[in-house]
Amino acid sequence: DAKTTQPNSMESNEEEPVHLPCNHSTISGTDYIHWYRQLPSQGPEYVIHGLTSNVNNRMASLAIAEDRKSSTLILHRATLRDAAVYYCIPNTGGFKTIFGAGTRLFVKA
Amino acid sequence: GAVVSQHPSRVICKSGTSVKIECRSLDFQATTMFWYRQFPKQSLMLMATSNEGSKATYEQGVEKDKFLINHASLTLSTLTVTSAHPEDSSFYICSARAITKGAHPNYGYTFGSGTRLTVV
Repeated sequence: DAKTTQPNSMESNEEEPVHLPCNHSTISGTDYIHWYRQLPSQGPEYVIHGLTSNVNNRMASLAIAEDRKSSTLILHRATLRDAAVYYCIPNTGGFKTIFGAGTRLFVKA
Repeated sequence: GAVVSQHPSRVICKSGTSVKIECRSLDFQATTMFWYRQFPKQSLMLMATSNEGSKATYEQGVEKDKFLINHASLTLSTLTVTSAHPEDSSFYICSARAITKGAHPNYGYTFGSGTRLTVV
């Protein structure tokens, strides 16, 4: 499994953009980069995933470095409901999903 | 989208009793389901991988006789914590992977909402 490095925590003001970085320098060529988030006392929920190109969906954007050794999850306007632990997980579909420590995002009103 | 229903959401049991947690995929078939446990302020730790119709594969350090996993159909997996003790108190979470790429909207994993187990 590819090893990931994420900041332990980050803080943002409400309504401002947030950039959550992730290093995954040992990622293999076939690994997708998945992002999940876990709100307090809930199971993780899918946020976004990508392989090589940047991706956008209604929740967030994912910017993937050209060498694929890092990626950044972008929340365009953080809300209080975005306060959660965010996990980036390189994963080749069909194999177990291993969670790292993730980044705990605090959002200030 | 893909939904995984996990029950119960919370359970309190006496030490020495057994507890069963159910995980159902509601709108897709799941050949593979995963079970995790999570202690406060920690990340999810994978316990085992269950494949429909076969024995579960347990991660190192997880007692297979204590954590019984059954994956009898493509939509249901159960985790039974046998002879529970206070140290088994934790947040248990299941996840499921759809049967084919095309069947899952994100080719990722869908997670249940978790079960908070408290053993007294």
